[in-house]
Amino acid sequence: AQSVTQLDSHVSVSEGTPVLLRCNYSSSYSPSLFWYVQHPNKGLQLLLKYTSAATLVKGINGFEAEFKKSETSFHLTKPSAHMSDAAEYFCVVSDAASGGYQKVTFGTGTKLQVIP
Amino acid sequence: NAGVTQTPKFRILKIGQSMTLQCAQDMNHNYMYWYRQDPGMGLKLIYYSVGAGITDKGEVPNGYNVSRSTTEDFPLRLELAAPSQTSVYFCASGRGAPNTGELFFGEGSRLTVL
Repeated sequence: AQSVTQLDSHVSVSEGTPVLLRCNYSSSYSPSLFWYVQHPNKGLQLLLKYTSAATLVKGINGFEAEFKKSETSFHLTKPSAHMSDAAEYFCVVSDAASGGYQKVTFGTGTKLQVIP
Repeated sequence: NAGVTQTPKFRILKIGQSMTLQCAQDMNHNYMYWYRQDPGMGLKLIYYSVGAGITDKGEVPNGYNVSRSTTEDFPLRLELAAPSQTSVYFCASGRGAPNTGELFFGEGSRLTVL
């Protein structure tokens, strides 16, 4: 079975300060992990992905995430928040399930507010 | 670059009415999905398809139906609309294994059932 937990439903940061969005996962197999961003009234867009290569993954718009197997975590970070980063962020896990279909599970989302 | 196109963007239905949400992708992806998004609940999978002619239920299939006659199209049918189906619906496509979690989303269809 697989699951993903986003530890904060809302995060508020000041512009120019670091961003940390936390994600823990559970998987019976070697998982692939993803972060997606959703701006208001838009679809989801892939930010970055981990698929068993380098554990530190760089994505678009200066975001990065580190896969830590011992902590079952995949936290999303950015050194300096920009106003345009205000959005909702989803952590996603994908692994092999019975029958060969790779199940995809979404977290419940973290809304990031950036204060000027 | 069209990607995944959903229509309509907005729709209001009366209880008991039926409608079809259209989804088309031009990336030749085998995998297609329908999700619904409710506030604070993340995305819940309604139905998915791994290729033309093959569909399967997700977590919340009741009250919905799908078909996949071509690679490009994956319509979602709502029969006998109920207020509980008020939601934002997203269609997505992907290449499948080994990158099943890498999905391309449409912009969503906001449905209200009154």
